[in-house]
Amino acid sequence: AQSVTQLDSQVPVFEEAPVELRCNYSSSVSVYLFWYVQYPNQGLQLLLKYLSGSTLVKSINGFEAEFNKSQTSFHLRKPSVHISDTAEYFCAVGGVNDYKLSFGAGTTVTVRA
Amino acid sequence: DAGVTQSPTHLIKTRGQQVTLRCSPISGHKSVSWYQQVLGQGPQFIFQYYEKEERGRGNFPDRFSARQFPNYSSELNVNALLLGDSALYLCASTATTGAIMNTEAFFGQGTRLTVV
Repeated sequence: AQSVTQLDSQVPVFEEAPVELRCNYSSSVSVYLFWYVQYPNQGLQLLLKYLSGSTLVKSINGFEAEFNKSQTSFHLRKPSVHISDTAEYFCAVGGVNDYKLSFGAGTTVTVRA
Repeated sequence: DAGVTQSPTHLIKTRGQQVTLRCSPISGHKSVSWYQQVLGQGPQFIFQYYEKEERGRGNFPDRFSARQFPNYSSELNVNALLLGDSALYLCASTATTGAIMNTEAFFGQGTRLTVV
């Protein structure tokens, strides 16, 4: 079984400032790691994923996350946020050969002008 | 291409009633999973169906059931509704199951169920 801990429930940040959302996981098997974003009253959208290979993965809208196996972490970063990045962000883990995803409790990012 | 579609978008039910939620996966996807997202929490896995067979079940009571049809669409049924069943119910579709499944899960907009 896997579990995910998102260390920050709310992160307020000013526009154009950097942001980091922390995610730690536990698992007894090899895993795939994901970050999803949820805008108000919407479903989940995949932001980025780590499957294998390079430990640094990037999204098309400037987010990046780094898989750290020794620290069992998959923190999400963006060097300069926009108002439109205001949303809830979920870290998720899926065991290789597993059929489900386990999600963290989410981090609400509020970007202020 | 249409994404994952869920219906209805919102629903209000009374305690003790039964509810059916519907999901149509992305064309060509044969696997459907259901998740419950209670306000303020992350989604919790309920079921996965692949090729009309249940492949996985989360820690939910027997009041929750689901099925998948030959066209790969799915229904989630909840009987004897409790106030605590109020949540956003999300459907996700993937092309296959098992090792490949976790690489590409596409979520619908969800059905917001309110039990009063």
